[in-house]
Amino acid sequence: NAGVTQTPKFQVLKTGQSMTLQCAQDMNHNSMYWYRQDPGMGLRLIYYSASEGTTDKGEVPNGYNVSRLNKREFSLRLESAAPSQTSVYFCASSEVGGGGRTEQYFGPGTRLTVT
Amino acid sequence: QKEVEQNSGPLSVPEGAIASLNCTYSDRGSQSFFWYRQYSGKSPELIMFIYSNGDKEDGRFTAQLNKASQYVSLLIRDSQPSDSATYLCAVKSPFSGGYNKLIFGAGTRLAVHP
Repeated sequence: NAGVTQTPKFQVLKTGQSMTLQCAQDMNHNSMYWYRQDPGMGLRLIYYSASEGTTDKGEVPNGYNVSRLNKREFSLRLESAAPSQTSVYFCASSEVGGGGRTEQYFGPGTRLTVT
Repeated sequence: QKEVEQNSGPLSVPEGAIASLNCTYSDRGSQSFFWYRQYSGKSPELIMFIYSNGDKEDGRFTAQLNKASQYVSLLIRDSQPSDSATYLCAVKSPFSGGYNKLIFGAGTRLAVHP
């Protein structure tokens, strides 16, 4: 049981390049999330997927796209990278909420630098 | 006003002391509250969650929730150098329905010195 996995761990891009960050979870969770973390700003939600087949924008979606490939996998794409997208990116997953457990579990992160 | 506010610290406490970390939130309708620990260069790790007013204890950790005053706190008893980390407070958005959208504070850095 690996939990939430992310690839790659590190990436350096030049301005204008594109890339896809991959995320997978093996906890049979319905919901998945992409965050970015910048110094002094905490975690900010980019996109989330409440269940397979659905995606919604979070707080900072501009410049990103997502795909919920199946229940396990949720990818984040940068179409034309900008230096402002230099950050640490975390993927997370959780069960669907309601009255039940709603905590999110995080992957190890991808450290992205855009030059 | 930020939706979830924490003192950035660092909060420095001696080994063996009680560390008290505080968090306030703006939306009175918030229902679920979480504390995550994040070591430098690592991902956030859930350590406590609390849904009801009052105290919830788990080992050396106690979460306290006061919905009337809109604050949640985390007490760490017998603090150890291994507790040195950034502690993130997270609140489930009351507008997220079943989607578990969490709003995070910027975190409080805790330093436990021998």
